[in-house]
Amino acid sequence: QSALTQPASVSGSPGQSITISCTGTSSDIGDYTYVSWYQQHPGKAPKLLIYEVFNRHSGVSNRFSGSKSGNTASLTIAGLQAEDEADYYCASYTNANTVGVFGGGTRVTVL
Amino acid sequence: EVQVVQSGAEVKKAGESLKISCEGSGYTFSKYWIAWVRQTPGKGLEWVGVIYPGDSETRYSPSFQGLVTISAAKSTSTAYLQWSSLKATDSAIYYCARVGVVVPAAVNSYYYVMDVWGQGTTVTVSS
Repeated sequence: QSALTQPASVSGSPGQSITISCTGTSSDIGDYTYVSWYQQHPGKAPKLLIYEVFNRHSGVSNRFSGSKSGNTASLTIAGLQAEDEADYYCASYTNANTVGVFGGGTRVTVL
Repeated sequence: EVQVVQSGAEVKKAGESLKISCEGSGYTFSKYWIAWVRQTPGKGLEWVGVIYPGDSETRYSPSFQGLVTISAAKSTSTAYLQWSSLKATDSAIYYCARVGVVVPAAVNSYYYVMDVWGQGTTVTVSS
């Protein structure tokens, strides 16, 4: 399956806001509100942040928020902190297969 | 505490078979789908497939259909991912995860959200 398109890296200073984009097609993000975001620190398992575009998973800071416009979903991290330095993956339902599709991942660096 | 715990790292030779496991605890194992996801070194996440332990319904990513087998044993709250003949390209970290949210997206088609992840099993295959 074709992966969703994410920028390879995004960086920001502590306290700033950053936005990670995730671009798909009408087979996935464009026609459905079924997008998830996962955070993965180096050497660790992924953790669920957001599901169904904007719903925060239990215990996730409200500094993380999700949105969608057309074929592109976005994850915004407000008030960037050192602990936010990690890889972030989007995922979406797709009508092209029976399981779903992931984005290629974005490395967030806190300057 | 809800958790899924995976079996340990494996080192194999090409052509050998392998079965790795994922044990769920702290919840009713048979009522939640289990997903398998692959991560190759320095690369991203890829769907392998999902299984519903209640009736063993299984769905595979097209990239893995016919190459691996996913199964589950309700009696031991354990899901499995197995290969009959490994290749060097199967070297990766394999994660299992509980699917906490399942949304019917279309006829016989679902959106899966993985809310509890295992620690990962590293599989190394030498040629």
